[in-house]
Amino acid sequence: QVQLVESGGGVVQPGGSLRLSCAASGFTFTNYGMHWVRQAPGKGLEWVAVISYDENNKYYTDSVKGRFAISRDNSKNTVFLQMNSLRSEDTAVYYCAKGLRTSSVYDAFDFWGQGTMVTVSS
Amino acid sequence: DIVMTQSPDSLAVSLGERATINCKSSQSLLYDSNKKNYFSWYQQKPGQPPKLLIYWASTRASGVPDRFSGSGSGTDFTLTISSLRAEDVAVYYCQQYYSFPLTFGGGTKVEIK
Repeated sequence: QVQLVESGGGVVQPGGSLRLSCAASGFTFTNYGMHWVRQAPGKGLEWVAVISYDENNKYYTDSVKGRFAISRDNSKNTVFLQMNSLRSEDTAVYYCAKGLRTSSVYDAFDFWGQGTMVTVSS
Repeated sequence: DIVMTQSPDSLAVSLGERATINCKSSQSLLYDSNKKNYFSWYQQKPGQPPKLLIYWASTRASGVPDRFSGSGSGTDFTLTISSLRAEDVAVYYCQQYYSFPLTFGGGTKVEIK
C-alpha cells in the first residue's frame, strides 16, 4: 500500500531554515511527480511546490519562490523541501502528496502523508 | 492565477438527504486537446490529511462510495452527496490542476442538521 511519511518539522525562528523529508513506499516512486501542500492552522489548503518524476521540472507558488527548494532522491524514494528565510506566515502543516498520473506535474493528488508541523516563531 | 470560489462556506443537511457543493473557477479548466477538465474534489476530516474523492471533474477515486458524484465542465462544477451519512461530516475542497500555481477553493464545511 502507498505510504508517505513526512519528517523534519519543528519550531524555528523567523529567518531560519528547515528541511522537510517525505519517504515514499508502495509505488514506483520514479514514475510520479511529487508535491508539497500546506495548511495553516484553521485555514484551507495551499499548494506549495512540485517536482517532476525525472527532477527536470520544478514549480513553486509565488510566495515561496527564491526561499524554498524542492528536490528528490529517486534512489531513496524520498522528496525534500528545503525552506530558507522562513516567515511567520509559513507556519502550517506541510503535507507531501503523490501525483495521480505517471510522468505528469499537472495533477490531482491521490495519496497524502499525515503531515509535519512547521512553526515559525520567535 | 486561477481563483477557485466555493459555495456555500458551510452546509447543514439531514441524514439521508442530498448535499450539493459548488465550485467556480476564474477561467476554463477544460483542456482542448483531450477534452478533460483538470479539476478535482477532496474530503478532509478533522485531524486527517485530505482524501481524493473525484478527479477529471467526474471520475470517482478508488474506494469512494457511489453516493459521491462530480459534475460540471469549463468553469462550473458541483459535488453531490446523494444521501448524507454521519461519516461524511468534513470539509470539502475543490482544486484545479490546469495551470500553476495549482489552487484550491476555500472549503465547504458539511455538518448534520
